[in-house]
Amino acid sequence: NAGVTQTPKFQVLKTGQSMTLQCAQDMNHEYMSWYRQDPGMGLRLIHYSVGAGITDQGEVPNGYNVSRSTTEDFPLRLLSAAPSQTSVYFCASSYSRGRGGYTFGSGTRLTVV
Amino acid sequence: DQQVKQNSPSLSVQEGRISILNCDYTNSMFDYFLWYKKYPAEGPTFLISISSIKDKNEDGRFTVFLNKSAKHLSLHIVPSQPGDSAVYFCAASLRGGGSNYKLTFGKGTLLTVNP
Repeated sequence: NAGVTQTPKFQVLKTGQSMTLQCAQDMNHEYMSWYRQDPGMGLRLIHYSVGAGITDQGEVPNGYNVSRSTTEDFPLRLLSAAPSQTSVYFCASSYSRGRGGYTFGSGTRLTVV
Repeated sequence: DQQVKQNSPSLSVQEGRISILNCDYTNSMFDYFLWYKKYPAEGPTFLISISSIKDKNEDGRFTVFLNKSAKHLSLHIVPSQPGDSAVYFCAASLRGGGSNYKLTFGKGTLLTVNP
């Protein structure tokens, strides 16, 4: 059981470039989310999805797009990378909000230069 | 405005003693609280949770206490072990509707357990 798989683990982008962070889960979880972690800021919600075809914005959605065409996959797209998007990105999934909490991936460390 | 606050950036305790990590919240609509543990270069791992209808939940060495009137929760680890050294995040979620799926995190507390 792989859980939540994020790729790539590391990425360096130039300002203005676009890229997609991949997230896949094999637990048949309905809920999936993207968070970013910055020093001294904890984890902040970017976008989330409650099922295939349904997405919504979190706390810091600007500069990011998501889609959920299947239950398993929830990619995060950076449209035009900016240095402010340098961060560690975590994808998470869950059956429900309460019991057992979210299962997190191991993260993608992104640097925008 | 930070709705979930962990005011201690770090905590150091001796192996075998009790570790107490604290968390305060401001939004009275939060009805479910969770603690996550995070090691460097790994994703957060769910540790323990508590519903707002309870004031205590215990799982092995970990106990979470909730004081709703004070909007305060704490995580007790007894006895503390060196492997517990990690960053601990407090998180909360809102009752009802589309907010069910969103967690609000504190900034985390780095726990160091010294042998």
